[in-house]
Amino acid sequence: KQEVTQIPAALSVPEGENLVLNCSFTDSAIYNLQWFRQDPGKGLTSLLLIQSSQREQTSGRLNASLDKSSGRSTLYIAASQPGDSATYLCAVSGIGSNTGKLIFGQGTTLQVKP
Amino acid sequence: DAGVIQSPRHEVTEMGQEVTLRCKPISGHDYLFWYRQTMMRGLELLIYFNNNVPIDDSGMPEDRFSAKMPNASFSTLKIQPSEPRDSAVYFCASSPFRGGDEQYFGPGTRLTVT
Repeated sequence: KQEVTQIPAALSVPEGENLVLNCSFTDSAIYNLQWFRQDPGKGLTSLLLIQSSQREQTSGRLNASLDKSSGRSTLYIAASQPGDSATYLCAVSGIGSNTGKLIFGQGTTLQVKP
Repeated sequence: DAGVIQSPRHEVTEMGQEVTLRCKPISGHDYLFWYRQTMMRGLELLIYFNNNVPIDDSGMPEDRFSAKMPNASFSTLKIQPSEPRDSAVYFCASSPFRGGDEQYFGPGTRLTVT
C-alpha cells in the first residue's frame, strides 16, 4: 500500500530565504507526482506535476525534483515571500488501474515571516 | 472557465439527517474525483468517475455514502444518515482526458454534523 510522508510538518523562515520541502513515498511504481498548495479555508492549487519519466519541473521560483528509485521528491522555493505562506501537499498517482488515484501526504505548513 | 464549482460551501446539519453535496466539473474534463479532508486522516480519495461511470469507490467509508454522476456536468455525494464523524471538508476535483493528468480542485464543502 502506497504511503506518502512529508517532512517537516511545519516550517517557519524569514523572508528571502531559500527552502526545501521533502516528500517520500513507499512504492516507486508511480505514474506521476504532483505538488499542491492549499491556503487556509481554500481548495488545492496544483503547482507542479512531474511525470515518472522526468527528473524535475520548474515554474518561476519553484523547482520540484523526483527520484523515483529512492521514493523521494523535493520542492525548492527560491527567495521565499510572505505570500508563499500556505500548506504544501505532495501526492502520487499509481500506475495501471491506480492511475489518477492520488495518495496525499499530510502536508508541510510554511510560514514566511516579513 | 469558472473552475470546479461546489455547493454548498458550508453545511451544518444534525446527526441522522441526509446531506447532499454538489459538484460541477470543468467543462470537457472526463474524470471527476471526490475527496475528504480531515485533520486526522488528511486528504483521502472517496470515489472517482470516468465519463460519468464510477470507476473506483473503494475509498467510500460506508454504505451511508453514495455518489452519482447523472451527466458530464454534475455530480452529487450523499450521506444518509449523517454522523458527527462525517464532519470534514469534502473536495471535488476534475481532470482532462487521462486520469493521470493534473487535477483541478474545487473550493470544498465544509460539513459539520452536530
